[in-house]
Amino acid sequence: DAGVTQSPTHLIKTRGQQVTLRCSPKSGHDTVSWYQQALGQGPQFIFQYYEEEERQRGNFPDRFSGHQFPNYSSELNVNALLLGDSALYLCASSFRGSYTGELFFGEGSRLTVL
Amino acid sequence: AQTVTQSQPEMSVQEAETVTLSCTYDTSESNYYLFWYKQPPSRQMILVIRQEAYKQQNATENRFSVNFQKAAKSFSLKISDSQLGDTAMYFCAYNTGTASKLTFGTGTRLQVTL
Repeated sequence: DAGVTQSPTHLIKTRGQQVTLRCSPKSGHDTVSWYQQALGQGPQFIFQYYEEEERQRGNFPDRFSGHQFPNYSSELNVNALLLGDSALYLCASSFRGSYTGELFFGEGSRLTVL
Repeated sequence: AQTVTQSQPEMSVQEAETVTLSCTYDTSESNYYLFWYKQPPSRQMILVIRQEAYKQQNATENRFSVNFQKAAKSFSLKISDSQLGDTAMYFCAYNTGTASKLTFGTGTRLQVTL
């Protein structure tokens, strides 16, 4: 049973460019959340997708957008990249009907903006 | 707003000894979930232990146990018989279920030494 998979694992962009990160949830999961983790910090919630709609959003600008596909996979898009967007981007999946509250995480995509 | 506070940025423990990591949280919800996640240098966030707020009994998972004090809003993690493989960042986290965002603390870096 594959867990949460993310791609790419590392990428380097320059300021002003756009980036797309991808996530496949754990089998049986229907909800995908994205988190940004700056170096030495705890992850910060970006947004959550369920039934192909954004259900919750953290305190991130509109430059951050996402999408969920019918197979539950998801993309995170960041436009007009800033140096401060350099971080580890974590995808987490869960089953909406779960009573455990638990989220399963991927290994993350390390974005460096130069 | 829910907040999670970890007041110990770094801790060190010798192999086979016991260490306790502290966490406090703030919430007005009556039912919620608390988690300890481990993030080794490999980056993947791994669930260590989970506690449901309505359960008074403290959760245990092998060498890991928690001291959950609901009235004090405290949720500490005890690691017994520490092993070198326990070296990692440990994050305390909170949510009200898989439909809600996970709020993380700033983390405690644990170093297990010989």
